[in-house]
Amino acid sequence: EPEVTQTPSHQVTQMGQEVILRCVPISNHLYFYWYRQILGQKVEFLVSFYNNEISEKSEIFDDQFSVERPDGSNFTLKIRSTKLEDSAMYFCASSEIGQPQHFGDGTRLSIL
Amino acid sequence: KQEVTQIPAALSVPEGENLVLNCSFTDSAIYNLQWFRQDPGKGLTSLLLIQSSQREQTSGRLNASLDKSSGRSTLYIAASQPGDSATYLCAVRQGNNRLAFGKGNQVVVIP
Repeated sequence: EPEVTQTPSHQVTQMGQEVILRCVPISNHLYFYWYRQILGQKVEFLVSFYNNEISEKSEIFDDQFSVERPDGSNFTLKIRSTKLEDSAMYFCASSEIGQPQHFGDGTRLSIL
Repeated sequence: KQEVTQIPAALSVPEGENLVLNCSFTDSAIYNLQWFRQDPGKGLTSLLLIQSSQREQTSGRLNASLDKSSGRSTLYIAASQPGDSATYLCAVRQGNNRLAFGKGNQVVVIP
């Protein structure tokens, strides 16, 4: 069964550095998403992406964050000037319109 | 703002018992509701999706009901097994594409 793949599975970064989290969505899906889950808290929506542009973003998704689809298969989340509170599990998801969102296994981001 | 609540936060049941997990949401104007399973340190596995026009969905031992007007959904797992031990998340989608999640029901099935 097709699945969403995310790399790396774990990323450790010094505070203030930039990180890029990578995702390969399911190939025929048109909608892409990033969510995050801080330890012990709810999964939170960050951003959705459709037709090569952001379709919606949450209040969390400020100028520190950006997303990109650099080619036909990858979908990336860039976090600039990382802070301690950016430590979380980041999930990528994809879907067809009106259909279930399928999630990857996540990238655990640890900011030191 | 949509708020999703799941009760109970945690429960333990002996193997073979039926599981009943509850989810409530504050804004009934939803497009659909999705139930996920999350194993420790892992991603989210989609279990069932119920469209707003539907009352229930079934997949194997899983059955999910939706009462949109009262803002409730229930996930039933029949004849629980130790392999069902996990956290179950409920998420609702509104007019946009974002999912609003509950905090989850952490389930332990005791052999």
